[in-house]
Amino acid sequence: EIVLTQSPGTLSLSPGERATLSCRASQSVSRSYLAWYQQKPGQAPRFLIYGASSRATGIPDRFSGSGSGTDFTLTISRLEPEDFAVYYCQQYGSSPLTFGGGTKVEIK
Amino acid sequence: QVQLQESGPGLVKPSQTLSLTCIVSGGSITSGGHYWTWIRQHPGKGLEWIGYIYYSGSTYYNPSLKSRVSISIDTSKNHFSLNLNSVTAADTAVYYCARNVFTLDAFDVWGQGTMVTVSS
Repeated sequence: EIVLTQSPGTLSLSPGERATLSCRASQSVSRSYLAWYQQKPGQAPRFLIYGASSRATGIPDRFSGSGSGTDFTLTISRLEPEDFAVYYCQQYGSSPLTFGGGTKVEIK
Repeated sequence: QVQLQESGPGLVKPSQTLSLTCIVSGGSITSGGHYWTWIRQHPGKGLEWIGYIYYSGSTYYNPSLKSRVSISIDTSKNHFSLNLNSVTAADTAVYYCARNVFTLDAFDVWGQGTMVTVSS
């Protein structure tokens, strides 16, 4: 099973700042089958990024993904008030499909 | 667009079977190209993939739950279901149904989630 470790656990930033979230895999994620989701309290996750770097339909371009192999990054270029949430990475390079433990982006 | 809605009991007794249904609206469950999925989230924790089903009936389960889980599909009713047997307090969680897109290997549509508590 591929274990995804997200860091930091919590990121305290101000609106307008840049957020850089890390997702590290215990083994290489084949074909970059790495996705990112955003979750707000009491809501279901929202699909953001697939294939490590492709934005889902309707996702603002301030969200970008990068990386390959075992190291992946989600960057939010300029935080908007609605971006403060928990972010999860997810892989299906190998079975079983797994999620990271999440990074909380909170208002500083 | 496609919407998903979970339904089922919010309280299940230990050792019994947890049963949930996900109703798919705004599209056909047989349209192909998608796996219909169950995911859970323990209170205050991360996400855990339970398993998914294709409209043909083919299933794939998380090995950690495989001995207790069954996912089925009813194409005539456009819904799919989860059964998790021999539940314990450790199965208390929010259960989500979601659609996995083959070409993306990601979940693009989610239900709102339903909280299930295992308690006597």
